[in-house]
Amino acid sequence: GQNIDQPTEMTATEGAIVQINCTYQTSGFNGLFWYQQHAGEAPTFLSYNVLDGLEEKGRFSSFLSRSKGYSYLLLKELQMKDSASYLCAVTDSNYQLIWGAGTKLIIKP
Amino acid sequence: GAVVSQHPSRVICKSGTSVKIECRSLDFQATTMFWYRQFPKQSLMLMATSNEGSKATYEQGVEKDKFLINHASLTLSTLTVTSAHPEDSSFYICSAAAGDHNEQFFGPGTRLTVL
Repeated sequence: GQNIDQPTEMTATEGAIVQINCTYQTSGFNGLFWYQQHAGEAPTFLSYNVLDGLEEKGRFSSFLSRSKGYSYLLLKELQMKDSASYLCAVTDSNYQLIWGAGTKLIIKP
Repeated sequence: GAVVSQHPSRVICKSGTSVKIECRSLDFQATTMFWYRQFPKQSLMLMATSNEGSKATYEQGVEKDKFLINHASLTLSTLTVTSAHPEDSSFYICSAAAGDHNEQFFGPGTRLTVL
């Protein structure tokens, strides 16, 4: 079956760095997405990786290793507004998005 | 970027009534639209995929007669929850994709509460 694993919850301190990991087993691979979702709101797009390596976009970076079925989202200079759930999603061979359960990130002052 | 809207944003209805939720792509033509449901503290669950002008493809366990989906144009898809019950209370989110639909653009979601 298809499966995406990510930690349920993480806690970090304002101003620090946090890395959220995601591992996947899917039928085919056509890209991996990271979304941010604040409580009661729809997800918002953060990043897209289809080739191995690191994609940097401001305070957020996303890494992909297709051979390992692994990705991480790196958040630097954490701000209180970064408290949210972070969803990892993989596009399979049928271009369907397979979703992880999300990682709830709690930022403490 | 691409904008997707949903209407209404919040709806409260009595058990047994039907509720229609609209999803519109405002600045692009969406060849494919997706409907998701999200229960509190859970991930998004895909309900169905619809392509303009054809019948929706429903995920296993989703009743097609209960969740009616119409994708009549390249900018509008509707989800009708028929004979709603309290267990249908959820956050319903649509997304739209264009072309190779490698990226989905999400609507803001509709909070449905069935009393």
